[in-house]
Amino acid sequence: EVQLLESGGGRVQPGGSLRLSCTAPGFTFNNYAMSWVRQAPGKGLEWVSGMSGDGDNAYYADSVKGRFTISRDNSENTLYLQMNSLRGEDTALYFCVKAPEAPYGGLAFDVWGQGTLVTVSS
Amino acid sequence: SYVLTQPPSVSVAPGQTAKITCGGNDLGSYSVHWYQQKAGQAPVLVVYDDSHRPSGIPERFSGSNFGNTATLTITRGEAGDEADYYCQVWDYRSDHYVFGSGTKVTVL
Repeated sequence: EVQLLESGGGRVQPGGSLRLSCTAPGFTFNNYAMSWVRQAPGKGLEWVSGMSGDGDNAYYADSVKGRFTISRDNSENTLYLQMNSLRGEDTALYFCVKAPEAPYGGLAFDVWGQGTLVTVSS
Repeated sequence: SYVLTQPPSVSVAPGQTAKITCGGNDLGSYSVHWYQQKAGQAPVLVVYDDSHRPSGIPERFSGSNFGNTATLTITRGEAGDEADYYCQVWDYRSDHYVFGSGTKVTVL
């Protein structure tokens, strides 16, 4: 069974940084595009960032562009999200999600992690 | 940016049919995916590419997409279907994924 395991969440002050990680044991990681999706407390889902399976292409929501950086290490089956200049509105549960194929774009997210909570507060 | 519109809530009696709509400009030209999120849990894909069910999803869940509206239909509603449901598309013009605002389904 494919599993996605997020880590790295926590409490940080406004303007601070965090790096989220998502490990994916047990499957050929570079065969799949990956994304981060977040959910603020009591709110809906918001796509944050995505990356193709080979790591060549990265995409960002307008709300995080220039502040967040997505990356992946296919040799370690790990996806990252570096979050800088954090704001209160970035407070959310961050989910790591998998697409069923390597190319980014168009496909549904067929596997979701359980999420890691990021709280931005002074 | 592309916008998907969902009703905030839908109620259904046990054993009856619930229809959850998702509206967007020329939505029929997009592939629509649907997710179910139960309280305190991660979302689960229930319909992809307008009308296909992943393995393990009951046949009671079905989808359609025509014109400006996509619909997720849940037949023979059960208490276990109570959840938030989100539609999603990939906006090829911006390379962004877009989610609808979500619909809370209550089984009365």
